[in-house]
Amino acid sequence: DQQVKQNSPSLSVQEGRISILNCDYTNSMFDYFLWYKKYPAEGPTFLISISSIKDKNEDGRFTVFLNKSAKHLSLHIVPSQPGDSAVYFCAASATRGSTLGRLYFGRGTQLTVWP
Amino acid sequence: SQTIHQWPATLVQPVGSPLSLECTVEGTSNPNLYWYRQAAGRGLQLLFYSVGIGQISSEVPQNLSASRPQDRQFILSSKKLLLSDSGFYLCAWSVQGWQYFGPGTRLTVT
Repeated sequence: DQQVKQNSPSLSVQEGRISILNCDYTNSMFDYFLWYKKYPAEGPTFLISISSIKDKNEDGRFTVFLNKSAKHLSLHIVPSQPGDSAVYFCAASATRGSTLGRLYFGRGTQLTVWP
Repeated sequence: SQTIHQWPATLVQPVGSPLSLECTVEGTSNPNLYWYRQAAGRGLQLLFYSVGIGQISSEVPQNLSASRPQDRQFILSSKKLLLSDSGFYLCAWSVQGWQYFGPGTRLTVT
């Protein structure tokens, strides 16, 4: 059973415009959410995260929004750049104190940013 | 700083052959270690995780096995590969839950 869902397998955006990647989850125990970015033939790298006590976290061009009532989060990239072209994985976890539990990943969204 | 190594980077194996993928971590002690697989059209599937030497938990029933002979060494094995074992295998380590991934191994079973 997929507890973290990324329903769009791909997204194509023009350079300079906003990219919005979406993620839904089903487990109400999840209280920490992460986005990983993955280039072909490389391991995923951590991008940005958000705790359930917040509804927004921003880091440069990347902003993650969390809607707990809808069990939905989204990653906004503004402005999008060709180097952002990669697969983006959403992940969720239930924390225990200061420790993250097991990560549950979505299937990923392939973002392509064209000039 | 912490570093995670995986080898080989790519591997082509015939069906029915054995498999051994190795992962080592440097710069940390007693990490949690994980094996993931990314198959075509699927996300990151957790295969095994280990919280210490000799302690392995399996998430998915399959013909794969894992071992942790040393604190910072994690090995993924199979006695007989299946076509469905093709994919990108990722090792990860974590402390307090934050996971850091290795470069991965591309396995093609022919």
